[in-house]
Amino acid sequence: SQQGEEDPQALSIQEGENATMNCSYKTSINNLQWYRQNSGRGLVHLILIRSNEREKHSGRLRVTLDTSKKSSSLLITASRAADTASYFCATVANTGFQKLVFGTGTRLLVSP
Amino acid sequence: NAGVTQTPKFRVLKTGQSMTLLCAQDMNHEYMYWYRQDPGMGLRLIHYSVGEGTTAKGEVPDGYNVSRLKKQNFLLGLESAAPSQTSVYFCASTYGFGYGYTFGSGTRLTVV
Repeated sequence: SQQGEEDPQALSIQEGENATMNCSYKTSINNLQWYRQNSGRGLVHLILIRSNEREKHSGRLRVTLDTSKKSSSLLITASRAADTASYFCATVANTGFQKLVFGTGTRLLVSP
Repeated sequence: NAGVTQTPKFRVLKTGQSMTLLCAQDMNHEYMYWYRQDPGMGLRLIHYSVGEGTTAKGEVPDGYNVSRLKKQNFLLGLESAAPSQTSVYFCASTYGFGYGYTFGSGTRLTVV
């Protein structure tokens, strides 16, 4: 079963606008990761945030984590057409073996 | 270039045929994984390995077998292909907890 659910399922914006995607998960986690997948390609790791962190930045990406609400958000600032892709959150549980459990993803379309 | 290499990239099988998907990584990662991706379902874990000579079942292991005879290679086998195994298969690897995963570019398999 999927661990996370992303919201919205699809998002369409104009270049220059900010894009926000949300992720909810069910169990206690060690860390949460965000990945990007361009159409027909593999997944690319964007950012990892540990359970004891609340916010993390990487370039135009900002990730927040609220473990009390079991939720995370990914903000892409000043979007570009090249940001068009599907974005997935994935969690690593706090117990058991280290494995990524994925959500169903958000499809982002950035129009020029 | 360092990374995860999957072969083949595309394959069409007839029901009942067998095949092996190969995954190779040159990053000296201990952990390796096989996922399948179906429309609208995100990625689901098939099998994984914590090191050379070890394998374990993931979320959807039925109909698949794996082997990790060498640390850099992780093979996924389909003994008797079924149409339900039509999917895109991704291999991934990582150092361990606290690290992102590196994904291959995928194998698109169609079973007719």
